[in-house]
Amino acid sequence: DAGITQSPRHKVTETGTPVTLRCHQTENHRYMYWYRQDPGHGLRLIHYSYGVKDTDKGEVSDGYSVSRSKTEDFLLTLESATSSQTSVYFCAIRGQGVTDTQYFGPGTRLTVL
Amino acid sequence: AQSVTQLGSHVSVSEGALVLLRCNYSSSVPPYLFWYVQYPNQGLQLLLKYTTGATLVKGINGFEAEFKKSETSFHLTKPSAHMSDAAEYFCAVSVSGDNLFFGTGTRLTVIP
Repeated sequence: DAGITQSPRHKVTETGTPVTLRCHQTENHRYMYWYRQDPGHGLRLIHYSYGVKDTDKGEVSDGYSVSRSKTEDFLLTLESATSSQTSVYFCAIRGQGVTDTQYFGPGTRLTVL
Repeated sequence: AQSVTQLGSHVSVSEGALVLLRCNYSSSVPPYLFWYVQYPNQGLQLLLKYTTGATLVKGINGFEAEFKKSETSFHLTKPSAHMSDAAEYFCAVSVSGDNLFFGTGTRLTVIP
């Protein structure tokens, strides 16, 4: 298994509160990704990072921000959580090559009440 | 832009029967194609991928897929279903390596 951990694994929060999800890797991979998974939508890319302090937006980035101050950690922040952000969030990592596989973490189930 | 269509959100097969999960893609440039499997309450695990070269790709657990450019398809097959194959399967396409575009998934049920 790729060395990817996500924390927390489950979280329940209230609308309007800030939430930060953490992805940690031990593979020293350059690329890291945040996806959300919703029924009927598959997985959709939120943000990704191609190096320390280098990030870019994905398909569904509104309401989310990210930071990467170390190679091994990629943080996803919901500044003010909304019920529409209730979802399962997956982190993924990829090596240097353009055809390298993306490996996924175990996911974080977030419920916004 | 790239996109993936998975035909059939639910597929049921009998144990020992052929598994066929359909995936069609749209891409303006040669794509990289992937199949992932997700077991309940777990992350996604790569089954197989096509980048270049041989169009018939073999993956883990006896699965294989064939890239057919003329049909823009990358269907997943397994000759004989096992109970352990019950899971959700996702087809995905990429052209840059950065953005994976996923289909909406197919839930496979295996009937004893």
